[in-house]
Amino acid sequence: RKEVEQDPGPFNVPEGATVAFNCTYSNSASQSFFWYRQDCRKEPKLLMSVYSSGNEDGRFTAQLNRASQYISLLIRDSKLSDSATYLCVVNPTGSGTYKYIFGTGTRLKVLA
Amino acid sequence: EAGVAQSPRYKIIEKRQSVAFWCNPISGHATLYWYQQILGQGPKLLIQFQNNGVVDDSQLPKDRFSAERLKGVDSTLKIQPAKLEDSAVYLCASSLHGVGGSTDTQYFGPGTRLTVL
Repeated sequence: RKEVEQDPGPFNVPEGATVAFNCTYSNSASQSFFWYRQDCRKEPKLLMSVYSSGNEDGRFTAQLNRASQYISLLIRDSKLSDSATYLCVVNPTGSGTYKYIFGTGTRLKVLA
Repeated sequence: EAGVAQSPRYKIIEKRQSVAFWCNPISGHATLYWYQQILGQGPKLLIQFQNNGVVDDSQLPKDRFSAERLKGVDSTLKIQPAKLEDSAVYLCASSLHGVGGSTDTQYFGPGTRLTVL
């Protein structure tokens, strides 16, 4: 089993739709979780951190489910500019050091 | 604030040749990371430095890849000799701490796109 798994997509959704991605992780001791966004031929950029209590930033909501070992990203009212690859990132060590494991990413295409 | 700088942006070489990439992290960032991103995959950590010491190089193919971070600032990643499967984008990232109990954001450079023919 991979340490971090994502559905590669693509998810094709119309503008204004709500879309959700999940990401599963294998190490139950993982402490830190993030969603990064990567545009085509660009570097990854932090979208948001995922806290135990959940995290919301405008149209984006991230949640953590420790019991089932997954994190989710919900995008409401999708915009054309949301089209990108969304990378799930997990720090699996739980030891206070930072070792980031990236998923393969989920491609989102928002259609006009 | 200046971001993470990398050069060159693109490099085309033939297999068995050597290549080197350079990275200058954000000023004051203690931790520097080199990632390899193959098309269609997520970034894979090659090596992580904390100041000028190596924290993790478990996924670095040490028979052909080497990296150094002299004086704890900028870093170079070298491949010698290159193979076809080394074709990828090499991303450098830095973060302020890299250790500790709080979250620590990574900032990525634009990457170097390597093509091995």
